[in-house]
Amino acid sequence: DAEITQSPRHKITETGRQVTLACHQTWNHNNMFWYRQDLGHGLRLIHYSYGVQDTNKGEVSDGYSVSRSNTEDLPLTLESAASSQTSVYFCASSTGAGTEAFFGQGTRLTVV
Amino acid sequence: AQSVTQPDIHITVSEGASLELRCNYSYGATPYLFWYVQSPGQGLQLLLKYFSGDTLVQGIKGFEAEFKRSQSSFNLRKPSVHWSDAAEYFCALSGSARQLTFGSGTQLTVLP
Repeated sequence: DAEITQSPRHKITETGRQVTLACHQTWNHNNMFWYRQDLGHGLRLIHYSYGVQDTNKGEVSDGYSVSRSNTEDLPLTLESAASSQTSVYFCASSTGAGTEAFFGQGTRLTVV
Repeated sequence: AQSVTQPDIHITVSEGASLELRCNYSYGATPYLFWYVQSPGQGLQLLLKYFSGDTLVQGIKGFEAEFKRSQSSFNLRKPSVHWSDAAEYFCALSGSARQLTFGSGTQLTVLP
């Protein structure tokens, strides 16, 4: 079955370190998204991609970057981790406008 | 700009009682609307979606939602709640863009 997987599921890192969260989907979806989930804010869009070599900034993109070198993967990089980036991160993918997005299980990141 | 508001942060109902979770949206045209459910430590699962046509949409697990254009609402309902329905529920909107905009979520507690 097609799926979307995130790794690691849990990560503790120190302030100032670079961290990369992996997202891999086997749906062959063109669209991929990264969200962060914080209490009281729901899910907020960090970055998104509509296809290979395409990346776009979302609502809360400062301090994050992504790259899309193939259809399956959209890694999220925190350039210099900050305590404000402690959150649960979700990756999602979809086929097009108005279509269902499929979500990974999430990565809980703690920055100490 | 598009936005989604879920006015109720937390709702408590007794098992067997009916449920209605509120969702209001702001968008300049007819949006695509979704309800997702998130169980603790899990990703998001799609309950139902509205694209066009019939304004009453049936979903999984006995849930339904009604799209009311005049009220800019898409409320989720269930006639009889089960203990397993305890979770967090998110309303989301997709317009011409392919990414989802989420509400802040409603936490549902079910009393025995």
